[in-house]
This record gives sequence, structure tokens and C-alpha cells, in this order.
Amino acid sequence: SQTIHQWPATLVQPVGSPLSLECTVEGTSNPNLYWYRQAAGRGLQLLFYSVGIGQISSEVPQNLSASRPQDRQFILSSKKLLLSDSGFYLCAWNRGVNKEQFFGPGTRLTVL
Amino acid sequence: AQRVTQPEKLLSVFKGAPVELKCNYSYSGSPELFWYVQYSRQRLQLLLRHISRESIKGFTADLNKGETSFHLKKPFAQEEDSAMYYCALVQGAQKLVFGQGTRLTINP
Repeated sequence: SQTIHQWPATLVQPVGSPLSLECTVEGTSNPNLYWYRQAAGRGLQLLFYSVGIGQISSEVPQNLSASRPQDRQFILSSKKLLLSDSGFYLCAWNRGVNKEQFFGPGTRLTVL
Repeated sequence: AQRVTQPEKLLSVFKGAPVELKCNYSYSGSPELFWYVQYSRQRLQLLLRHISRESIKGFTADLNKGETSFHLKKPFAQEEDSAMYYCALVQGAQKLVFGQGTRLTINP
């Protein structure tokens, strides 16, 4: 069966520090991968999505970047965190014509 | 631009009462819509999709193209229905546009 993992579960970082959040999927190949940010009162905002290795589409201009070095690995990064980067980050995947997305457990990021 | 609006951030009803979570969308074409739910300490997960026309956990949602709505309904709320609910619209080939979410609280 397919599973999706995210780590770390929680992270507290100072302003200006770098960031790397990792997401991996097991049990499937060539998934579509997504990064969302879930903020109170703002719902779920799609940040990046990828349909294949090295293929990244950015949805909103921001301080973050994404990479897909392997088929089932999706990384969210920042060189210098801002206070506004605080939030709950969700990774998701789907495949083929089934548009249902399957979500990971999320990472709670607090930037101080 | 495609957009999903959930006008209620918070909704509180008593156990046994009917519940309706509102969702309106803007889309020029045939929309494909979902309801996702996030229970406390659980992952966000699919509740139902409009093309299935099914009832999940007593919930139903009917697509009304005239009113551009996809409201989620349940005739008799249960305490375990307390959760965060998101309406989502398919955009393009594989992307989803989510609404802001409605936190539903069922009071005993």
C-alpha cells in the first residue's frame, strides 16, 4: 500500500536560517507531488507541484523553493527564513487520472 | 480565475441537528469538486467527491451548477463529525484549489 512521510514533524527556526523539509512516498511510482501551506483563516495554499523528477511548478512567488531529486522525494527549502514562513506544511501525492490527493502528516514550522 | 469560497470559518451545531457546510465555486466549464476533512490529530483525507454521488458517514453533497454551489449536508450531526472541512475544485490536469475551510463543532 502507498504511504507518504514527512519530516520533521515540528521545527523551530530563527529568522534568517535555512530550511529543508522532506517528503517521501512509498508504494507507487511517478506520483504527482504537491507542497501546501495551511494557515489559520487562509485555508490550504498550493505552493509547488511536480509531475516528475526535476520538474517543479511554482504557484506563488515567495521565499521558498522546491526540488525533486528522486521520483518519490520532494523537498521544500529556503535559504533564509522569514517570520511569515511560519505555518503548517503539507505534502500530498496523487497519480494518474484519479485526482484524489493523499496527504502526509505535515510539518509545523515556527520561525522566531 | 477558479476560486472556492467557504463563507463560514466556524460552524457550531448541536448533536442531532442538521448541518450544512457551504461551498461556492467559480469555474468556467464542468467543475469537479471534492470535500476533504481533517479530524483532530489525523491527516487531511478525502470525504467525498461529486462524481461519485455517494453518501459517506451520512454526508452528501450535491453539485448545483445554477448556484455554483457544492454544499455538504448531514441530516443528524454526531459529535465525531467535529473537524475541519475543506471544499476543493480541480484546476487543470491535477491541481486542486481549496477553500479556506470551515471548522465544524458539534455540541453535545
